[in-house]
Amino acid sequence: QQPVQSPQAVILREGEDAVINCSSSKALYSVHWYRQKHGEAPVFLMILLKGGEQKGHDKISASFNEKKQQSSLYLTASQLSYSGTYFCGTVGGSNYKLTFGKGTLLTVNP
Amino acid sequence: EPEVTQTPSHQVTQMGQEVILRCVPISNHLYFYWYRQILGQKVEFLVSFYNNEISEKSEIFDDQFSVERPDGSNFTLKIRSTKLEDSAMYFCAFRGTGGVSPLHFGNGTRLTVT
Repeated sequence: QQPVQSPQAVILREGEDAVINCSSSKALYSVHWYRQKHGEAPVFLMILLKGGEQKGHDKISASFNEKKQQSSLYLTASQLSYSGTYFCGTVGGSNYKLTFGKGTLLTVNP
Repeated sequence: EPEVTQTPSHQVTQMGQEVILRCVPISNHLYFYWYRQILGQKVEFLVSFYNNEISEKSEIFDDQFSVERPDGSNFTLKIRSTKLEDSAMYFCAFRGTGGVSPLHFGNGTRLTVT
């Protein structure tokens, strides 16, 4: 089942913060986050494996609330390079099928 | 540098023609996937392939589609009779074997059906 992402699009000025949410109607065991730049392949950002876990690198971090069946991606002090479409993915099926949400288009302007 | 090389980077074909998209992993991986992305839309799962067999496929992956790993190296996606709606970016992906691990995508093949 496809996870639901919100918002669909965000426009920021450089230095501003953003939060992207991902929720599922089914129990989540792990959440994956990817970023895709225009015309390129999705690039892995991070995996969250258990409830409450927060991971991050640089100024991009994420949390995972297993009870609420949702994950949030936090982008702080955004840089121009953060622009792109962010996808969350959830795992289901017997062979690790990753199902992506519809994506959130993040635009960071100078 | 991606660990997966996809060829061609762009393929233009006429409706009804057969196309073969290729994917060559650099390392030895066991789990392979094909995803597609229609322009401006989400990344959709097509098929997963493990131990030289299809392990799961989506509703999109109908009889017109097939996958093979003929020589243990190349991983191919064949579309027998292309339709206009097959126009999309096709991504090959793989993952490692240890527990929960991320998918790594190739650079994709842009398929245009005219």
